[in-house]
Amino acid sequence: SSELTQDPAVSVALGQTVRITCQGDSLRSYDASWYQQEPGQAPVLVIYAENNRPSGIPDRFSGSSSGNTASLTITGAQAEDEAVYYCSSRDSSGNHLVFGGGTKLTVL
Amino acid sequence: QVQLVESGGGVVQPGRSLRLSCAASGFIFSSYDMHWVRQAPGKGLVWVAGFSYDGSNKYYADSVKGRFTISRDNSKNTLYLHMNSLRPEDTAVYYCTTRGDAFHIWGQGTMVTVSS
Repeated sequence: SSELTQDPAVSVALGQTVRITCQGDSLRSYDASWYQQEPGQAPVLVIYAENNRPSGIPDRFSGSSSGNTASLTITGAQAEDEAVYYCSSRDSSGNHLVFGGGTKLTVL
Repeated sequence: QVQLVESGGGVVQPGRSLRLSCAASGFIFSSYDMHWVRQAPGKGLVWVAGFSYDGSNKYYADSVKGRFTISRDNSKNTLYLHMNSLRPEDTAVYYCTTRGDAFHIWGQGTMVTVSS
């Protein structure tokens, strides 16, 4: 079982805002990063170090953190944002890396 | 162009061995920690192993410790994963990825199927 917990599925209406959350005790000590994965494709980093976007990632993607919860927010979701989103961080020991179970985002 | 290309996957019987390779290009390979992440069919991402840029540290998930060995050849810009005593539950797409403060660059993955 993962040390990072995500809701299995979330839906959002086209153009609306959606928040995807990730919970885990290690998030009190370590930053989360977020990855987008489309079917049959490799993951793509969308947010790192809590709220930094790699070049090429639209600014509608943002990250935040509070206590043991990290969040990925998509402001004005687009059809192309439909994908599975994974959070990642270190485990409680700090020695290993872990992923959340993933959240499937559906854009209605 | 920054690129990671995995190879070496295939179908292997339980208990046998396999070596995966990951060829890097377009960036200074020797400056980056490198990791392997896998994904079983229809499942989520699972971190497998990591290797510091200078070779000083190796890290393994508990599920593969003692069976898998990560190595790198900075002169060839290549990362390896030596997998021994393979089990059906090791069946997955294996991705190599760079790591600084996150997994920034990913390869397209290589499929490993462990089956008799």
